[in-house]
Amino acid sequence: AQKVTQAQTEISVVEKEDVTLDCVYETRDTTYYLFWYKQPPSGELVFLIRRNSFDEQNEISGRYSWNFQKSTSSFNFTITASQVVDSAVYFCALSEADYGQNFVFGPGTRLSVLP
Amino acid sequence: EAQVTQNPRYLITVTGKKLTVTCSQNMNHEYMSWYRQDPGLGLRQIYYSMNVEVTDKGDVPEGYKVSRKEKRNFPLILESPSPNQTSLYFCASSPGGWDEQFFGPGTRLTVL
Repeated sequence: AQKVTQAQTEISVVEKEDVTLDCVYETRDTTYYLFWYKQPPSGELVFLIRRNSFDEQNEISGRYSWNFQKSTSSFNFTITASQVVDSAVYFCALSEADYGQNFVFGPGTRLSVLP
Repeated sequence: EAQVTQNPRYLITVTGKKLTVTCSQNMNHEYMSWYRQDPGLGLRQIYYSMNVEVTDKGDVPEGYKVSRKEKRNFPLILESPSPNQTSLYFCASSPGGWDEQFFGPGTRLTVL
């Protein structure tokens, strides 16, 4: 069965530090999609990125970057030069393509960026 | 404005009193889904729908019902709510099952 693990429950960093949020997934499918979402203190869910299983190219978007490694079933998220506005809960999620279209989210990592 | 709306946003009810949480999207999306969010568990999918009249169970469907009679609406029904259904509920929609999902603002439900 599909599963997403985010082993870091809470992380605290000081502003301008770099921080990496870990995500490890399990799936039986060969075709699947991985996502990251952000939930700031206001509560809404904000989409950050989607990757498919055939695209292992790392992605960079401003201060955000993602490292997808199929060999270790990981899809880690790095924030460079963190800012207080990055404080949020971050969720990694998986959607399989071969056995239906249900989504599985990880338990989330709460990131606190201190001034 | 493209959006997913949920009503009500807050609801306090008692055990056994049937309730419906509505969800509507104006983006003509095929895929809609319901999640519950509980501390330490992240979001867990309750039901999803790939199109009108097509629904399927997610990971935690027990105690919930859904229907998809129109493309834009996907109500969540609790026929006999129990205290363990106290949670924060999110509706979401997307063009397909593997696309970015757009989430509603959430409904905080308390069952006494």
